Amino acid sequence: SYVLTQPPSVSVAPGQTARITCGGNNIGSKSVHWYQQKPAQAPVLVVYDDSDRPSGIPERFSGSNSGNTATLTISRVEAGDEADYYCQVWDSRSDHYVFGTGTKVTVL
Amino acid sequence: EVQLVESGGGLVKPGGSLRLSCSASGFTFRNAWINWVRQAPGKGLEWVGRIKNMPDGGTADYAAPLKGRFAISRDDSINTLFLQMTSLKIEDTAVYYCTTGLGPAPELAFDYWGQGTLVTVSS
Repeated sequence: SYVLTQPPSVSVAPGQTARITCGGNNIGSKSVHWYQQKPAQAPVLVVYDDSDRPSGIPERFSGSNSGNTATLTISRVEAGDEADYYCQVWDSRSDHYVFGTGTKVTVL
Repeated sequence: EVQLVESGGGLVKPGGSLRLSCSASGFTFRNAWINWVRQAPGKGLEWVGRIKNMPDGGTADYAAPLKGRFAISRDDSINTLFLQMTSLKIEDTAVYYCTTGLGPAPELAFDYWGQGTLVTVSS
């Protein structure tokens, strides 16, 4: 089955840039979506189709995808960005959806 | 406004059964492909399964470890999705979310999520 690997944690100071990677075999050929989840809340879509933002998501959130790595970038990090982040794809071979292992972003 | 509201969670003994519901509003339910996603305590998100809309066959697909124990169905007349869970195991303890998106299937992102319902499997 298709596997997506994320770093368990990323720490960043306020105002700096956080980059969260999502590794998968030839992930560049897939559409990658990213979700933010705060404690005791449902996930929220922050980036879809590699780099598009849903309405209401700040421009500080951006995404890219190439080769074997997709990346979610959070610019000018704020305390409110502290959360778990998950990447997700649809695997055409299995016709199943796959989530990454998740990354906890800590704002120092 | 799109709303997804799950219900039916609770405490069940190992080997027992439970049926979850997800009531939807604010979008054309009969056109949507809808998924169940779960999250065990302190763990990540895990895709459970999906049901297609009726024009696309109305079939359900499941994560491999769950196939045979879980069944997803839908009633478009009342805009409701169901998850029938049988032979429950302790490791099925999780918050169960229903989720859907408005983009082109099957690669759609999950734009909308319910608040989740907690299933606890324990003796």
